[in-house]
Amino acid sequence: QVQLQESGPGLVKPSETLSLTCTVSGDSISSSFWSWIRQPPGKGLEWIGYIYYSGSTNHNPSLKSRVTISVDTSKNQFSLKLNSVTAADTAVYYCARVVTIFGVIRPYGFDMWGQGTMVTVSS
Amino acid sequence: DIQMTQSPSSVSASVGDRVTITCRASQGISSWLAWYQQKPGKAPKLLIYAASSLQSGVPSRFSGSGSGTDFTLTISSLQPEDFATYYCQQANSFPYSFGQGTKLEIK
Repeated sequence: QVQLQESGPGLVKPSETLSLTCTVSGDSISSSFWSWIRQPPGKGLEWIGYIYYSGSTNHNPSLKSRVTISVDTSKNQFSLKLNSVTAADTAVYYCARVVTIFGVIRPYGFDMWGQGTMVTVSS
Repeated sequence: DIQMTQSPSSVSASVGDRVTITCRASQGISSWLAWYQQKPGKAPKLLIYAASSLQSGVPSRFSGSGSGTDFTLTISSLQPEDFATYYCQQANSFPYSFGQGTKLEIK
């Protein structure tokens, strides 16, 4: 079955860059759009951005230009970089699959999620 | 950007009760609304998509309705495993956005 697994440092210093990778198994990364979503402790969910295997991306303007999402089709992985982090970026970060049919995003939400990884921004 | 507002923020109910959660969008989103269930320490799970379509494997006691700006999630007969937090999400346009969540607690 399809599985997504986030990996990366659990602690990042303020002003540095948060880097996470999502490894997809049971599905080709070329088949769908893929997203990052985060959830601060005790709070709600925030969509960060998506990527397609072609490299096409979109991200939440609320994060300004701090976000970079990339894909490595040879490893069936996609990655998130968030620079200039502050304490407000402390959250559980999830990777998720966007429902995609024939290479087109369908407006059906996110049907598969990773388990999430907690990232704390602190010196 | 589209703002999503859920009500209530929390609700207490008993096993066997019928529960309805409401989600309102700040502008029309047609039927492009999804509902998720999240249990503590776990990732959200897709329950309903396109406002009323049941995701594969989700029990039929869950149902969704609505279009435009007003939507509801109904659980017809609460089971012990249904106590969780529920989120709505608009999938009409980017940036996708979520409601603030509704915590369903045991009475």
